[in-house]
Amino acid sequence: DVKVTQSSRYLVKRTGEKVFLECVQDMDHENMFWYRQDPGLGLRLIYFSYDVKMKEKGDIPEGYSVSREKKERFSLILESASTNQTSMYLCASSPLAGHSDEQYFGPGTRLTVT
Amino acid sequence: GQNIDQPTEMTATEGAIVQINCTYQTSGFNGLFWYQQHAGEAPTFLSYNVLDGLEEKGRFSSFLSRSKGYSYLLLKELQMKDSASYLCAVKDSNYQLIWGAGTKLIIKP
Repeated sequence: DVKVTQSSRYLVKRTGEKVFLECVQDMDHENMFWYRQDPGLGLRLIYFSYDVKMKEKGDIPEGYSVSREKKERFSLILESASTNQTSMYLCASSPLAGHSDEQYFGPGTRLTVT
Repeated sequence: GQNIDQPTEMTATEGAIVQINCTYQTSGFNGLFWYQQHAGEAPTFLSYNVLDGLEEKGRFSSFLSRSKGYSYLLLKELQMKDSASYLCAVKDSNYQLIWGAGTKLIIKP
């Protein structure tokens, strides 16, 4: 059974803290994605990666960075957390780009920045 | 700009049929996806359309008209477990997914 796991379901951090969100997939997928999901808005892409050590900015990369040192692991880093980064963060993976490549999502991390 | 529109919320009765519409305006088109997301859970894949017409998969069907920039998801024989949000997403010319805000479907007994 395909699986994407995220390090925490719930996280509370203080403004200014450095925050690490980890995502691991066991499907040997090349592509990995980080989204944030806010009420009334569609999923918004923060960063994605097509290969190890490779990263591309999505629609809203400001305030975030990523790391992909191993194929199965994709980390999202909030360099200095702010209250407007309070959100649900979803990680996803998919096989090498193809027309019908569905994305497999992790359970999400609900981050609250106080 | 790129835009995906779907109704915010819909209500239907158990055992009935419901149609959730999605209209899109994107730079290019390389397929349309429907995902289901139960409250507090991850989205899960339901269907993919790239050609015009109807794709049927059990109780769920998805329709696409590329000329009209329109799709719908049809759910038949509704069950209480179908209460969820349904997300429409379009793959644009850069093969990036553009997501709608989702339609919250409430099923009443």
